[in-house]
Amino acid sequence: QKEVEQDPGPLSVPEGAIVSLNCTYSNSAFQYFMWYRQYSRKGPELLMYTYSSGNKEDGRFTAQVDKSSKYISLFIRDSQPSDSATYLCAMTAGGTASKLTFGTGTRLQVTL
Amino acid sequence: ETGVTQTPRHLVMGMTNKKSLKCEQHLGHNAMYWYKQSAKKPLELMFVYSLEERVENNSVPSRFSPECPNSSHLFLHLHTLQPEDSALYLCASSPQQGRGEKLFFGSGTQLSVL
Repeated sequence: QKEVEQDPGPLSVPEGAIVSLNCTYSNSAFQYFMWYRQYSRKGPELLMYTYSSGNKEDGRFTAQVDKSSKYISLFIRDSQPSDSATYLCAMTAGGTASKLTFGTGTRLQVTL
Repeated sequence: ETGVTQTPRHLVMGMTNKKSLKCEQHLGHNAMYWYKQSAKKPLELMFVYSLEERVENNSVPSRFSPECPNSSHLFLHLHTLQPEDSALYLCASSPQQGRGEKLFFGSGTQLSVL
């Protein structure tokens, strides 16, 4: 079993739709949860950063963490064509030598 | 120039060549990383440097040799690579290593080994 599972997609939605992207994980020690957005031929850029359980909102983006279910989500409201990218979840336990564990990424296409 | 800069953006090399990838960060961070990104696979951590000292070598073959001359620069020296080494190589930096630190990535070097 992979430590982090993420549906690779592709996920195609019309402009204006609400998008839900998800990851599940198996390591209960993970405490820091991140979503990175990666455009084609670019490096990943940090989109959302959450510590422990709960919700965090930033504009059209909402990150949710449910540690009891080992499940994290990223919601995108009013999706735009510029949101078309690959979204990577990442998580870490947060110790001094801890490393980020990434999902494989979900490719999202927002169509006009 | 700001952020994390990687050169070259694209590299094609034969299996007998020697080449180097370069990374420079302008963020004042103390930790730098090399990651490998292959299709349909999670990012694979290769090396971590913290305050110019290598603190992680993730069972990477010796044909990959990192170098960190100072906290702003990171190199990845490549020699006698295999076709399966073709991938996007990403450099990243963070204020410190570990502790849930946020990573800042460069745009990567797309490497093709013929």
